[in-house]
Amino acid sequence: NAGVTQTPKFQVLKTGQSMTLQCAQDMNHEYMSWYRQDPGMGLRLIHYSVGAGITDQGEVPNGYNVSRSTTEDFPLRLLSAAPSQTSVYFCASKYRGTYEQYFGPGTRLTVT
Amino acid sequence: SQQGEEDPQALSIQEGENATMNCSYKTSINNLQWYRQNSGRGLVHLILIRSNEREKHSGRLRVTLDTSKKSSSLLITASRAADTASYFCATYAGTGNQFYFGTGTSLTVIP
Repeated sequence: NAGVTQTPKFQVLKTGQSMTLQCAQDMNHEYMSWYRQDPGMGLRLIHYSVGAGITDQGEVPNGYNVSRSTTEDFPLRLLSAAPSQTSVYFCASKYRGTYEQYFGPGTRLTVT
Repeated sequence: SQQGEEDPQALSIQEGENATMNCSYKTSINNLQWYRQNSGRGLVHLILIRSNEREKHSGRLRVTLDTSKKSSSLLITASRAADTASYFCATYAGTGNQFYFGTGTSLTVIP
């Protein structure tokens, strides 16, 4: 199993550009989530999904969109990038009814 | 924000010593988990303790939970250089589907 994979590893955007961060898992996990990690802030939940076709907002959803058309994939879209979105983004997944999340390696995003 | 806080922010010890880090959280919880993050990597789950448990062990890890004080501690005994990482607590309230992570403790174990 590849586990949770994320692409790209690094990305630089200019203010106002849009892009999609990709996340995929091959463990048939129902629950998937996106976090951002900023220095001194720990991880904060952006959006999550409990199954295909179902998404919900986390703690810091503004400026981000998600969709979940398949169990395996959970892309995160930045609609119009802002410098405040400079961060490291982590995707995670788990089985419904369990608590242990499996994390991807992260995407480091810089917005100039 | 329901984010927890951890202290110390950074901890440096000699190999073989014990490392203790603490997590404080704000709301009632169903369980609390600890994760490790090696530099440049994703988080890895270490251990979970439920709200009705006071202490749990896993190998060299010992976790305690005091729900009256809304705090938890993670003890790593006989530390090794490979334990160098950041450690985060994460809480789950029992309703909803959200997990709240602490701010993390950066542990350096000096060989």
